[in-house]
Amino acid sequence: QKEVEQDPGPLSVPEGAIVSLNCTYSNSAFQYFMWYRQYSRKGPELLMYTYSSGNKEDGRFTAQVDKSSKYISLFIRDSQPSDSATYLCASSGGSEKLVFGKGTKLTVNP
Amino acid sequence: NAGVTQTPKFQVLKTGQSMTLQCAQDMNHNSMYWYRQDPGMGLRLIYYSASEGTTDKGEVPNGYNVSRLNKREFSLRLESAAPSQTSVYFCASSAGPKDTQYFGPGTRLTVL
Repeated sequence: QKEVEQDPGPLSVPEGAIVSLNCTYSNSAFQYFMWYRQYSRKGPELLMYTYSSGNKEDGRFTAQVDKSSKYISLFIRDSQPSDSATYLCASSGGSEKLVFGKGTKLTVNP
Repeated sequence: NAGVTQTPKFQVLKTGQSMTLQCAQDMNHNSMYWYRQDPGMGLRLIYYSASEGTTDKGEVPNGYNVSRLNKREFSLRLESAAPSQTSVYFCASSAGPKDTQYFGPGTRLTVL
């Protein structure tokens, strides 16, 4: 079992929809949780960074971590066509070894 | 401010050939990383360097070698390329282990 599991999708939604992206992890030592966004043929870029449990909001994006269930979520409100990308969750215990999920490909249709 | 740069952008090799992928960062970061990204497999860590002069294996190091030439540069070498090494390779850097990793644009490598 991979340490971070993510449904690869693909996920297709209409513009304006609320998008929910999810990951689970198995390593109890993980304390740092990230969401990266990757546009086609580009490198990943950090979208959200959360330490330990709780919520973090940045504009239309909300990251949520539930350590009791080892569940990581990213919500996108009022989704836009420009949000169409692959979203990668990642976790670490504080070392250099960041473990990535396989990524979920999202398409937002105008 | 260029961030993380990688050369080349594209490369086609024949089985058994060797090549070096170059990576440089201008953010004065201590840590640097090499990943490969394959369909259905996500990003997997090949090697990393926590500081100048040190390197460590990641999840998939077999068939690769690395050199941390100085604080700015971290190269990845394929000594004898195999078709299984066909992938997109990303270099990344961060200030430290708990800090954001910044990625380069990637190198698309095909081994025939």
